[in-house]
Amino acid sequence: QSVLTQPPSLSGAPGQRVTISCTGSSSNIGAGYDVHWYQQFPGTAPKLLIFGNTNRPSGVPDRFSGSKSGTSASLAITGLQAEDEADYYCQSYDSTLSVVFGGGTKLTVL
Amino acid sequence: EVQLVESGGGLVQPGGSLRLSCAASGFTVSSNYMSWVRQAPGKGLEWVSTIYAGVRTYYADSVTGRFTISGDNSKNTLYLQMNSLRADDTAAYYCARDALAAAGTVYFEYWGLGTLVTVSS
Repeated sequence: QSVLTQPPSLSGAPGQRVTISCTGSSSNIGAGYDVHWYQQFPGTAPKLLIFGNTNRPSGVPDRFSGSKSGTSASLAITGLQAEDEADYYCQSYDSTLSVVFGGGTKLTVL
Repeated sequence: EVQLVESGGGLVQPGGSLRLSCAASGFTVSSNYMSWVRQAPGKGLEWVSTIYAGVRTYYADSVTGRFTISGDNSKNTLYLQMNSLRADDTAAYYCARDALAAAGTVYFEYWGLGTLVTVSS
């Protein structure tokens, strides 16, 4: 049971917009701590996708965007492409537990 | 260019010990926050430990008292000494160079490829 809750799986057709949610509580996201997102392909290391709630590292397409409100955060992917099929994880800080991750969301492109 | 290369994983019996290494290049380990993150087979990511300036260390409750994070400035290498290993420590272990977020918290900017640790008799 992860401290941050993500949907285990999500799917979308090419070109569609999908949103992955990350729900926390008053001791982590709701306490004002930043949310970060990672993308991981099977058998490879995670890669930083979004940091500080809304910021993209250099090289990440602007199809990926992050937002945060209250005790939740979201990762949106617009213009879904086959190459976006991967696992996505949110990460934040919890005042009682230190660094915490969501359980991950497996995104399937139909 | 930032590079992180882990080594030292393998098969170990329950109760045994293992030391993981993470050789860094393109930056200085001792000047950065560095972390270990693990991923059990088919499972999600779990933060293990963080070190800063070779002095300040932080651990997940699940490894406190069993794992020790450290760095070697002369080799620019990060280590994770793992003792009293249990079956639920079986995972791919990634080292990461951290970046600072708001309120002094961290996120993981660069990742190594990982090294697999299997704890089994």
